[in-house]
Amino acid sequence: KNEVEQSPQNLTAQEGEFITINCSYSVGISALHWLQQHPGGGIVSLFMLSSGKKKHGRLIATINIQEKHSSLHITASHPRDSAVYICAVSFNGNQFYFGTGTSLTVIP
Amino acid sequence: EPEVTQTPSHQVTQMGQEVILRCVPISNHLYFYWYRQILGQKVEFLVSFYNNEISEKSEIFDDQFSVERPDGSNFTLKIRSTKLEDSAMYFCAGSGQGNTEQYFGPGTRLTVT
Repeated sequence: KNEVEQSPQNLTAQEGEFITINCSYSVGISALHWLQQHPGGGIVSLFMLSSGKKKHGRLIATINIQEKHSSLHITASHPRDSAVYICAVSFNGNQFYFGTGTSLTVIP
Repeated sequence: EPEVTQTPSHQVTQMGQEVILRCVPISNHLYFYWYRQILGQKVEFLVSFYNNEISEKSEIFDDQFSVERPDGSNFTLKIRSTKLEDSAMYFCAGSGQGNTEQYFGPGTRLTVT
């Protein structure tokens, strides 16, 4: 069974700060997803990674397959970034294991 | 931009009743998923579905659960005899290929009383 751990569980930042959220998993995977869950409950996919690094706007996601670790970075954070960020992994593309999420609050 | 829709947004049912949760995925998607999230807990995988059959299912997805895509558009999750512990938000998702970005629906909140 693949365990997915995220840190920190909760994060409060001032607007403009650089934010890092971490995800570690216990066995080899085929892909890792970063998701954003809004306060209303809706889920949006941010990234799907199998290696390396991806960037979209102010968001950057990296993965180190050997260390079984991924990070999500937010540059120049903004209050609208406040949400729960969830890491999910798949080792066969069909079954997924989710982290407990990191609750981010960005204060103006 | 195409989106995944789910109906109803909120379903209240009595214990022991059958419920059907409906999802309309994006039309060119081929892989479909159901997830649930009990209030205050993490998202959990239920089942994946491809080519009109289940690809993978979790331990949660027991004989009380079933999925189907009867008409090539709707993707449904049926719970035959609901239990109190089935109360959760249920999300449908789809992707164009396996192991690619998934598009989530807004969720159906199921309350079993």
